[in-house]
Amino acid sequence: SAVISQKPSRDICQRGTSLTIQCQVDSQVTMMFWYRQQPGQSLTLIATANQGSEATYESGFVIDKFPISRPNLTFSTLTVSNMSPEDSSIYLCSVSTGNTEAFFGQGTRLTVV
Amino acid sequence: GQNIDQPTEMTATEGAIVQINCTYQTSGFNGLFWYQQHAGEAPTFLSYNVLDGLEEKGRFSSFLSRSKGYSYLLLKELQMKDSASYLCAVRTGAGSYQLTFGKGTKLSVIP
Repeated sequence: SAVISQKPSRDICQRGTSLTIQCQVDSQVTMMFWYRQQPGQSLTLIATANQGSEATYESGFVIDKFPISRPNLTFSTLTVSNMSPEDSSIYLCSVSTGNTEAFFGQGTRLTVV
Repeated sequence: GQNIDQPTEMTATEGAIVQINCTYQTSGFNGLFWYQQHAGEAPTFLSYNVLDGLEEKGRFSSFLSRSKGYSYLLLKELQMKDSASYLCAVRTGAGSYQLTFGKGTKLSVIP
C-alpha cells in the first residue's frame, strides 16, 4: 500500500486568489491523479499528473485553471487558480501502485468566499 | 461515453445483509472498484474485480458480471460504522489507471 500526505487539509480563500495543494507519497508510484468532489457529488477526474511532462487533462479542465506539477515519482502539486465560489470543493490526490488498487489522500476541503 | 449507475440511498438494519448494485456502460473495461467514504473523509479501497465472479473479503463481498455490465457489493452483519457512501468505479483503459466513478450510494444503518 501507499501512504499519501496531502496538505493543506482545508482552507478558506478569497475569490481571485490561487491555492496550491501538495501531495506527497511515501514510495515511488507510476501514476498520480487529481480528483474533485463537489458537495454531495461523486469524484470527477481533473487530470493525470505525468512525471517529467505536462499533465493530461480531462474534458472540462484546463491547464490555466488547474496547473499541475510532478517533479518526481513521489510528489505532485495542484494549483486552483483565480478562484471563484464555484471552485469550493474537496480536491483529492490519488495514486496507483499497480493494477489492482488505487489510494487516496485525505483530501483538501476548499471554500472560496 | 461513460455511464455508471447506482442507487442514491439505502437504509438497512444493524446485523442484516445489504446488497448495493452498480451497472455500467463504458467504452472499455479494465476492472471495477468499490470504495467506502465516510462523511468528510477520503475514499478507502474495499474491493477490485476484473474477472466474473465473487470476491470475498471478510464481511464484504463484491460480484462482477462483465457480460451484463453489472456488479454488486454485499455487506454482511451490518454495523453502525458501516453507515457511509459506497462508490462504484470503473477503470476503462488497458494500461490506464484512472477511474470513472458513479455518484455513490449513501447507506444508513439503523438500530
